[in-house]
Amino acid sequence: AAGVIQSPRHLIKEKRETATLKCYPIPRHDTVYWYQQGPGQDPQFLISFYEKMQSDKGSIPDRFSAQQFSDYHSELNMSSLELGDSALYFCASSTRLGKNTGELFFGEGSRLTVL
Amino acid sequence: AQTVTQSQPEMSVQEAETVTLSCTYDTSESDYYLFWYKQPPSRQMILVIRQEAYKQQNATENRFSVNFQKAAKSFSLKISDSQLGDAAMYFCAYRSAGDDKIIFGKGTRLHILP
Repeated sequence: AAGVIQSPRHLIKEKRETATLKCYPIPRHDTVYWYQQGPGQDPQFLISFYEKMQSDKGSIPDRFSAQQFSDYHSELNMSSLELGDSALYFCASSTRLGKNTGELFFGEGSRLTVL
Repeated sequence: AQTVTQSQPEMSVQEAETVTLSCTYDTSESDYYLFWYKQPPSRQMILVIRQEAYKQQNATENRFSVNFQKAAKSFSLKISDSQLGDAAMYFCAYRSAGDDKIIFGKGTRLHILP
């Protein structure tokens, strides 16, 4: 069965550089969520999109932006990278009904390392 | 603000035994969902079990069951007949109805002893 695809799986950047993470949801899933998990930390909700519109917003820094495209894939853009941005970034997807039942399907994550 | 607390950073259990992971939460909402997610070494988050707050009956999924005490705001996970593949970080999580964001606890790392 198709799963949530995230790319790249690993990314190394220097401070003050820019990074873009991509997420391809499961086919027919219309809702995408982004989470950030620092080393040894619990995942923190960043932002979500439903039908290409921002649906909910969490603790996403102003340096970060995201969008969902017409094919439902989503991109998380991070600028002026800081050391503290080093983390595992998860994307998850669901149907709108699946959201209510907790049926979020997570990708394997993109590990960002900022040097 | 809603919070989720897992007071056991690590636990160990013998293979085939039963273990209970604790979770408490705080909310002023009446309509919400509770979840347990498993994060194995591969790092992918996997939904183990979910509970709707309006349901009094405790959720069960094969060897996994919960003890949901709404008044006490407690949501523990019981794993029966523990298997080596159950070794992982377990996160208790909360979501208000109508919200997208899931709030995770700090996690409990479960070790299975052969």
